[in-house]
Order: sequence, then structure tokens, then C-alpha cells
Amino acid sequence: QSALTQPASVSGSPGQSITISCTGTSSDVGGYDYVSWYQQHPGKAPKLMIYDVSNRPSGVSDRFSGSKSGNTASLTISGLQAGDEGNYYCSSYTGSTTLIFGGGTKLTVL
Amino acid sequence: QVQLQESGPGLVKPSETLSLTCTVSGGVITTYYWSWIRQSPGKGLEWIGYIYHNGKNNYNPSLKGRVTISVDTSKNQFSLRLTSVTAADSAMYYCARDFYSTSRFDPWGRGTLVTVSS
Repeated sequence: QSALTQPASVSGSPGQSITISCTGTSSDVGGYDYVSWYQQHPGKAPKLMIYDVSNRPSGVSDRFSGSKSGNTASLTISGLQAGDEGNYYCSSYTGSTTLIFGGGTKLTVL
Repeated sequence: QVQLQESGPGLVKPSETLSLTCTVSGGVITTYYWSWIRQSPGKGLEWIGYIYHNGKNNYNPSLKGRVTISVDTSKNQFSLRLTSVTAADSAMYYCARDFYSTSRFDPWGRGTLVTVSS
């Protein structure tokens, strides 16, 4: 099982919007609406930001949104803030109750 | 709210067995799945496997044969055993509440660093 494909890095200026893609196959991202997104700051544990493709846990800013089209899921962050800088990972159910993560994307706020 | 805390040795010798425990507080372990996830230094995340309170489990195929996850409901704990470790198993190991294998892990423990070295 290969990891889901994410861009290695993305960047944006404060106030702008950015989108991070997560590409899989019809056996994972495209086959189920079980895609999640995690934010990880250096030295910290990952934090759930989006689940079930587009749902936000309580307490997560509505600047974070998720979507999916075919085998690609996307995380959009609007109104970029300095605190959004960090690494972002997607994950997906793959069938047979197994799970897979993306390789991660480093977000830099310029 | 639910909190998780990993514990166990930070140093394991090659070919030996890595053993970690995750203690769940603020909630009962008899609901949800409970997963282990690891992250090699500077690398991405790798799901290891999950356990349910009745013993139902599933593991990452890449680790099958070496990994066992067990649960102790009386202590609200679940544990990871990884046998025949090599340097490639050196990583930060996290435990997390798993929403029934939907890729939703929340919350996570703070993680514990395990180094495989003689």
C-alpha cells in the first residue's frame, strides 16, 4: 500500500487562501467518504482538523474546509494566519478496515 | 475530556521486542477503537493497528506477523508489542482514539520516542 500523494510544500501570505491536495485511488480516497486531515506543529502530536471529507470537529476554525472529487481530497485554509504554519497530513480508509496516511505537506506562511 | 498517555522504554535493542502502553483517562475504553500510529524522525505518519474492547483488532499489513495490540479494560489501557525490531522501527509512537476505522483519530497522546539501538 503506497502512501496517499500530497505536495511536499505549499505557501501563502497572511489573509490568503491555500489548498492542499491528497490523491489516492478508487480503493481509498475515491471509494469512501472517510478522509481526514491533521495539522502538526513541530514537536507536537497531530491534531484532527477535518473528518469524513468535510466535517470540522468542535473547536476547529471555520477557516478550514475539506472537499473531495474523484480520487483527490482537498483541504482549504482561508484567511491564512501565522499559526496555521506547520505540517498537514491526510488519511483515508482503504477497505478491509485498514488506514493510510499521506506523505505530508509543509505549509509556510510568508 | 478524553486524554491518552503513552508509556514504555525509550530504548530497545535490535531483534528485541518493543512494548508500549497507552492509558486512557476521562473516558471508557469500552467504546471506540483504539489505535497506535508511529512517525519516523522527519517522516510521515504510519498507522500500526487498532484494538476494540472485545479483542477485535486489525493491523497494518506491512507489520503483520510482528505486531500485537491488546487491551486491559480493568485498567483502561491498551498496549503495543512489536517483535524483532530494527533501526527502521525507531520512531515517535502515538496512541489515539479511533472512530471505528474511519480514519478519524481524536484525540492523540503526546507520543513517546522509541530508539532501536544496541
